[in-house]
Amino acid sequence: EVQLLESGGGLVQPGGSLRLSCSASGFTFASYDMRWVRQAPGKGLEWVSTVSGRGDKTAYADSVKGRFTISRDNSKNTVYLQMNTLRADDAAIYYCTKGIAGTYYLDYWGQGTLVTVSS
Amino acid sequence: EIVLTQSPATLSLSPGERATLSCRASQSVSSYLAWYQHKPGQAPRLLIYDASNRATGIPARFSGSGSGTDFTLTISSLEPEDFAVYYCQLRSNSITFGQGTRLEIK
Repeated sequence: EVQLLESGGGLVQPGGSLRLSCSASGFTFASYDMRWVRQAPGKGLEWVSTVSGRGDKTAYADSVKGRFTISRDNSKNTVYLQMNTLRADDAAIYYCTKGIAGTYYLDYWGQGTLVTVSS
Repeated sequence: EIVLTQSPATLSLSPGERATLSCRASQSVSSYLAWYQHKPGQAPRLLIYDASNRATGIPARFSGSGSGTDFTLTISSLEPEDFAVYYCQLRSNSITFGQGTRLEIK
């Protein structure tokens, strides 16, 4: 059974940093791109970032480019999202997702971790 | 950049009724479109991919159709557990979502 378990969310002040983690199980982790998607309060879903299976390619939404860094450790079946210079509009539930191989469709999602940005 | 526009924003129906949700792309996306269901406090769930293929474990009452710029998600007979927010998503590197349609109980 595929499982994705996020952690690391919490309350942070504007300008602060957080690192989210997503521990994966139930599939061959290194064979799949992994992505973070977020949902701000009262808003829709927004793709944040993608990392390739080997970790050598990354992509970011314009809204987080230069502030967020995605990475993965295939020996630990874990993907990370380092979030720096956080802003109020980064507050959201952050979901870790796995895609269907060879596509950009997201077939498994974690339960999400809440990030609150407030002074 | 391709934009996905969903309509209506809110759809009010009763259990047993048929639901028709629309997603329109600003330019042709062939059949590269997915639909997700999202309930409060839960992870989103993939329903349909490549416009008309049901994902694993999705009931047959959910169906997708369309190609090019106009797509439809149909729920043939609403069950109580189907009331949720539905999103369409473009199969692209930037993982574009529509703004969502809220399906609520009338």
